Amino acid sequence: KAGVTQTPRYLIKTRGQQVTLSCSPISGHRSVSWYQQTPGQGLQFLFEYFSETQRNKGNFPGRFSGRQFSNSRSEMNVSTLELGDSALYLCASGPNPQGANGNTIYFGEGSWLTVV
Amino acid sequence: AQSVTQLGSHVSVSEGALVLLRCNYSSSVPPYLFWYVQYPNQGLQLLLKYTSAATLVKGINGFEAEFKKSETSFHLTKPSAHMSDAAEYFCAVTNRDDKIIFGKGTRLHILP
Repeated sequence: KAGVTQTPRYLIKTRGQQVTLSCSPISGHRSVSWYQQTPGQGLQFLFEYFSETQRNKGNFPGRFSGRQFSNSRSEMNVSTLELGDSALYLCASGPNPQGANGNTIYFGEGSWLTVV
Repeated sequence: AQSVTQLGSHVSVSEGALVLLRCNYSSSVPPYLFWYVQYPNQGLQLLLKYTSAATLVKGINGFEAEFKKSETSFHLTKPSAHMSDAAEYFCAVTNRDDKIIFGKGTRLHILP
């Protein structure tokens, strides 16, 4: 069974540009969550999608957005990039919504974004 | 609101020594608790989780954690450290209808 796949793995963008990251969950999983990982802040929750609906949202500005498609694949978009957006963006999938019955979430290897 | 505090952003132990990584949580309802491990250039991998069954939870690679409600703790231990245990470890908490919140992580260094 294939794991969570994230593309691209590495990318460099210029301040002010926008970026789209993609995540393909484990087959059969309907929940996809996104986290931002930075050395000082650890993992910070961005948002969760379940069956194409945003179920939870973290404390990030509106420049960060996401969506989920009918096949459960998800994309996140960051507009008007800032230097502080440089981070590892991790996607995680699960069969049920986060929190349900101690549901385990499974992570991809992440997309490394550098903003210059 | 729920939260997780991991004491010590860096912990160093000698090979063969006891590993103890500390995690304290805050939750208004009975929590689910997790420990994940992240090796360099990889995503996070589940080590173990507590879901209100046994308070002592055994995980992969010889790790275990004990849920102590009175202390609101879920510390991770391993009797004998191995060089391959060098990684970053994350404690996480959720309740029955909410997002999973992660601590800031503890980087474990193994000294030869």
